[in-house]
Amino acid sequence: SQQGEEDPQALSIQEGENATMNCSYKTSINNLQWYRQNSGRGLVHLILIRSNEREKHSGRLRVTLDTSKKSSSLLITASRAADTASYFCALRPETEKLVFGKGTKLTVNP
Amino acid sequence: DAGVIQSPRHEVTEMGQEVTLRCKPISGHDYLFWYRQTMMRGLELLIYFNNNVPIDDSGMPEDRFSAKMPNASFSTLKIQPSEPRDSAVYFCASSKDRPNIQYFGAGTRLSVL
Repeated sequence: SQQGEEDPQALSIQEGENATMNCSYKTSINNLQWYRQNSGRGLVHLILIRSNEREKHSGRLRVTLDTSKKSSSLLITASRAADTASYFCALRPETEKLVFGKGTKLTVNP
Repeated sequence: DAGVIQSPRHEVTEMGQEVTLRCKPISGHDYLFWYRQTMMRGLELLIYFNNNVPIDDSGMPEDRFSAKMPNASFSTLKIQPSEPRDSAVYFCASSKDRPNIQYFGAGTRLSVL
C-alpha cells in the first residue's frame, strides 16, 4: 500500500506540552507533506519536506524525514488548545497525487 | 483569492436521487482533486484533473460516479443514483504544478437516506 500510517491514532496532552506524531510508509516518495484538519473543516497544508531533506522547521512545527527507515515525525512544541485537530501525513510518490494516511487525532487540554 | 469553493455545504437526499457536487478551484491552479472522507476508509482520492483533463479516475468507486471539468474554474462530481453508502464528506482540492501543495475546500457533507 502507498498509504502512510500515522502513530499514534489519538494523542491527548496538556497545554504547553510537546506533541509528537509519526508517519511510516513503504513506497519511495518525492516529498512528504503534513496537513491539519479542524473538526468540520477542510485540510490545511502545514509543511512539506522533500526526499533529500532531513529536517524542516516552521514556527512551532518541526518535521523530520528518514528515508532509510521510511518514516517521518511531526513535532508541535508548546502546544495550545487551538492545536486540537487531526493531523495527516501525505505521501507524494512519483506522480502528482498525494496519498493520505488516516491521521492522528490530537487533543490539547487547557 | 477566496480559496477553493464548494457547494452545497450540506446535502440530504433520498436513495436513488441524483446528487451534484460543485467546486471552484483557486484561479491559476493546474490540478483539481476530488476526495471522499469517511470514518472507516479515511480520505480517498476519487479522481484528479490536470488542465481540465481527467488523469486518474481509478478511485471512482462505481459507474454511478462521474466527474467533469468543463473549464479551469469549475468542476462537478455527480452520483446517479445515490445510495446510503455514498454518505460521506466530499472534498475538492486544487494545486499548482510543483510542489503540489493542495488547497482544500470546506467540503460537502452528503447524507443519503
